[in-house]
Amino acid sequence: DTAVSQTPKYLVTQMGNDKSIKCEQNLGHDTMYWYKQDSKKFLKIMFSYNNKELIINETVPNRFSPKSPDKAHLNLHINSLELGDSAVYFCASSQERRAFFGQGTRLTVV
Amino acid sequence: DAKTTQPNSMESNEEEPVHLPCNHSTISGTDYIHWYRQLPSQGPEYVIHGLTSNVNNRMASLAIAEDRKSSTLILHRATLRDAAVYYCILSSYSGNTPLVFGKGTRLSVIA
Repeated sequence: DTAVSQTPKYLVTQMGNDKSIKCEQNLGHDTMYWYKQDSKKFLKIMFSYNNKELIINETVPNRFSPKSPDKAHLNLHINSLELGDSAVYFCASSQERRAFFGQGTRLTVV
Repeated sequence: DAKTTQPNSMESNEEEPVHLPCNHSTISGTDYIHWYRQLPSQGPEYVIHGLTSNVNNRMASLAIAEDRKSSTLILHRATLRDAAVYYCILSSYSGNTPLVFGKGTRLSVIA
């Protein structure tokens, strides 16, 4: 069983569209995150949620809105997509000093 | 989180040991040393972590200097599958603190 799963794996869309990326973890962890990895391969934290509550928002544009319907899910909705949003987005969960990452969603905005 | 310094890249021959260094001279007493790696086209994966004592697991060993200002990740026998970017990360990790990734070391393994 995949511990942290993201869908879709690839997403190609036009500028101005709205899209969502879904993330689910079956590890029973309380804390989940979204990271962004740009073309230069830097991994940056975007959001951190603990038990469905937003803990950290790292100066991400408000076009990005995470939603956690329950502690096993943390979805990422992006409005009015821009070219600069093209990147790989990783979802992760953690407990007891160990984080588990999903396989990533490669978003391409054209 | 305190900063870490790693070489940009390293190269190893297959089936030889690899020692990946990390300097963290500003580490605090509550910082754990974590290592993650990212294989091509995959998400980061946990390798090992420690606080003061050396640690071993099935993937690697972590050697921590006595003053904790540096550490070394040891892959005992590199395989082609170990080619990845290796990240050394410090975190006090209350459970809610996200890992902060640096540039890491890109390890190439030569057959």
